[in-house]
Amino acid sequence: GAVVSQHPSWVICKSGTSVKIECRSLDFQATTMFWYRQFPKQSLMLMATSNEGSKATYEQGVEKDKFLINHASLTLSTLTVTSAHPEDSSFYICSAREGQDQPQHFGDGTRLSIL
Amino acid sequence: GESVGLHLPTLSVQEGDNSIINCAYSNSASDYFIWYKQESGKGPQFIIDIRSNMDKRQGQRVTVLLNKTVKHLSLQIAATQPGDSAVYFCAENIGFQKLVFGTGTRLLVSP
Repeated sequence: GAVVSQHPSWVICKSGTSVKIECRSLDFQATTMFWYRQFPKQSLMLMATSNEGSKATYEQGVEKDKFLINHASLTLSTLTVTSAHPEDSSFYICSAREGQDQPQHFGDGTRLSIL
Repeated sequence: GESVGLHLPTLSVQEGDNSIINCAYSNSASDYFIWYKQESGKGPQFIIDIRSNMDKRQGQRVTVLLNKTVKHLSLQIAATQPGDSAVYFCAENIGFQKLVFGTGTRLLVSP
């Protein structure tokens, strides 16, 4: 149980384009989903917390107009990187949890490369 | 400030040995802790968790120990196998809201 699917797993695109990443909880309803960014050989850095039906809460230093998050249902959250540039290249990982006192379960990440 | 750190960036063990990965945390108000395993190119995989009202919890081949007095967390893996090779992160849950991840320890298991 507690499977989180993230799609796509790999994206290469030109500078200036927008990229959408999907995160789905397959066998449970996720009241909260989280988006992280991870650079090589580093830990996960939380970007934003997303609750179903409400606006996402962004961490300090994360541009909300750059990283658009939508959590329209209890099983789906999306992250859109708008007007992506090479510095946005990274490994983006989502997680979901069923309840406040439950562990977060992670997707397998999306490798984003902006040329 | 909030921080969760690890003492050893890399741990090398022989297959069959027991492994111990350590983690220090700084927020005494933290009440929930999780260990994750991350293999190359994948997302973190939940291993085991522990709440602050416990000092030990066991799973299959894994044990987590929590020492709130010195704010220390450890993950013990019994009979380590090559498939256990990965990066291990401890994570601290603050007020059941967000997770703060440690820096990670790479576990290398030699056959």
